[in-house]
Parts: sequence; C-alpha cells; structure tokens
Amino acid sequence: QKEVEQDPGPLSVPEGAIVSLNCTYSNSAFQYFMWYRQYSRKGPELLMYTYSSGNKEDGRFTAQVDKSSKYISLFIRDSQPSDSATYLCAMGAGTASKLTFGTGTRLQVTL
Amino acid sequence: DAGITQSPRHKVTETGTPVTLRCHQTENHRYMYWYRQDPGHGLRLIHYSYGVKDTDKGEVSDGYSVSRSKTEDFLLTLESATSSQTSVYFCATSTTGTDTEAFFGQGTRLTVV
Repeated sequence: QKEVEQDPGPLSVPEGAIVSLNCTYSNSAFQYFMWYRQYSRKGPELLMYTYSSGNKEDGRFTAQVDKSSKYISLFIRDSQPSDSATYLCAMGAGTASKLTFGTGTRLQVTL
Repeated sequence: DAGITQSPRHKVTETGTPVTLRCHQTENHRYMYWYRQDPGHGLRLIHYSYGVKDTDKGEVSDGYSVSRSKTEDFLLTLESATSSQTSVYFCATSTTGTDTEAFFGQGTRLTVV
C-alpha cells in the first residue's frame, strides 16, 4: 500500500462547477499538507499549504485536512478552463523530512 | 520561476552510458531534491541534500548518485543508464525542509535507448 493514495482521474467538469480533489494517507507523522498544481510539461508549483488539521481558503481554493481520518481535500469553486492541470497532494513530517507526493489527479475543465 | 535552472532540458542517451543532470539555483536555499516523475507513480524522491556535501537517499536511489559541492549546484548522475531510467527528472529546492514550500525546476526529459 502506498503511503499516499490519490485518484489519478482524469476528472472532467464543466466550467463553473465545484471540483473536489482528495488524498488519503497512512503515516500519522505527517503534519504539513500541500497541494501542487502542474501544467503540462511544467514543474509543479505550490497552490495551497496547510499545517495540521483544519481549513484554509485562498480565493476560489479551499484546502481541508482531517487528521483523524487521514484525509485531505482541495475544493475549487467556479472552476475555469485555466484550472485544467494535474493536482498533486504532498505531505511532510516537518523540518528536514522528505515530502511524499500522491500520484496526481488530472483535471479538465471544459467550456 | 524561483530561480531554478535544470540542464539539459532534453536528452537522449544510450543504455550503459553515464549521464549527469545539473540543477542550479539562485535562491540560496539549503535543501535541494531530485525527483523522477513517471505515469502511475507520481513524483518519487531519488536523493536530496540538506547542505553542501550533505546528501541522503530517497525511495528510488538505486543506480543514481548525487553531489553538491556548492550551495547553488546539485548534480544527479546515472552511473550506467538503463531504459527503466527513462523519465522526467525534476529538481526542487526549499529553505528548511517540508515545513516550507518546495520550488521546482522545469524538468529534464531523459530517454534511454
């Protein structure tokens, strides 16, 4: 079993839809939870960063962490074609530790 | 981009030859990482460095070595390239580890024939 599980998709939604992306994990030492966005043939870039449990909102994006269930989510409201990308969840246990990535979910937002 | 340059961006090499990929950063970040990205596997850590001359193995380090003689440069060497090492390789940097953002380079697409 992988330490971090993420549905690879692809996920296709119409413009304006609410998108929900999820990851589950098994390592209870993870404290830092991130979502990276990766456009085709580009390097990943940080989208959202959360420490421990709770919610964090940034514009159309909301990240949720439920440590008791070992489950994290990224919600995208009013999705746009420019949101079409692969979304990678990533987790770490703290300073000097290593990030563990999910396999990524490919999202396609159609007009 | 956060001042991370990978070279070369594309390379085709023959099985059995050594290959070196270079990552150069201008951010003065302490941590540097090499990942490979493959369909169905996502990003997997090969090696990382937590300072000049300080390196450690990641989850897929077999067949790879690294060196970091200066803060700004992190080299990844495939000692004898195999077809299974055909992949996209990403370099990343961060200031203090996983409690801070990792910045990624644009990637190197390596094909071993």
